[in-house]
Amino acid sequence: SQQGEEDPQALSIQEGENATMNCSYKTSINNLQWYRQNSGRGLVHLILIRSNEREKHSGRLRVTLDTSKKSSSLLITASRAADTASYFCATALGYGNNRLAFGKGNQVVVIP
Amino acid sequence: DVKVTQSSRYLVKRTGEKVFLECVQDMDHENMFWYRQDPGLGLRLIYFSYDVKMKEKGDIPEGYSVSREKKERFSLILESASTNQTSMYLCASSSFYSPLHFGNGTRLTVT
Repeated sequence: SQQGEEDPQALSIQEGENATMNCSYKTSINNLQWYRQNSGRGLVHLILIRSNEREKHSGRLRVTLDTSKKSSSLLITASRAADTASYFCATALGYGNNRLAFGKGNQVVVIP
Repeated sequence: DVKVTQSSRYLVKRTGEKVFLECVQDMDHENMFWYRQDPGLGLRLIYFSYDVKMKEKGDIPEGYSVSREKKERFSLILESASTNQTSMYLCASSSFYSPLHFGNGTRLTVT
């Protein structure tokens, strides 16, 4: 079932700026994951945050999770042209990753 | 690095044909998945498998079947292709707690 919903749907920024995307979901989750998809390719996992975590960092990525608001944000700092892609959030409703519910995706264009 | 390989990048089939989409992973993952991706609808789960010969329906299984005879291979079958099955099909694999690893997708056009 479709649960994650990213906001905004499309974002265009200049290289070097930060990009922030939000994701909301409806039911309780075990973890939330963010994936990136370059044009015409499969999805690549970026970062996973568990329901008992509030913030997580990985390189230029920062993810926050607010389970009381059922929302997450992905921040990409100092964006590069290579960050141009679609970004998806996915929620795991139970233990393990057997049933991930993906959002519709958020297209980010980084202008050199 | 985990590799998930889908046999075709592009396929064109006629309405009513039986279509096989093949996916192979090389990391001994228990779980394998088939998604379809359509503009504005995101990724929707068709079927997944958590072990050889085991399968479970996802959110949109109608018109599809799957086969998992070997751990590394997961096939998606369109018994009688229809135009509304024109889509991008993505295969993925994972172990129980690992993230999903995706193939590069098969863009299927049914005419």
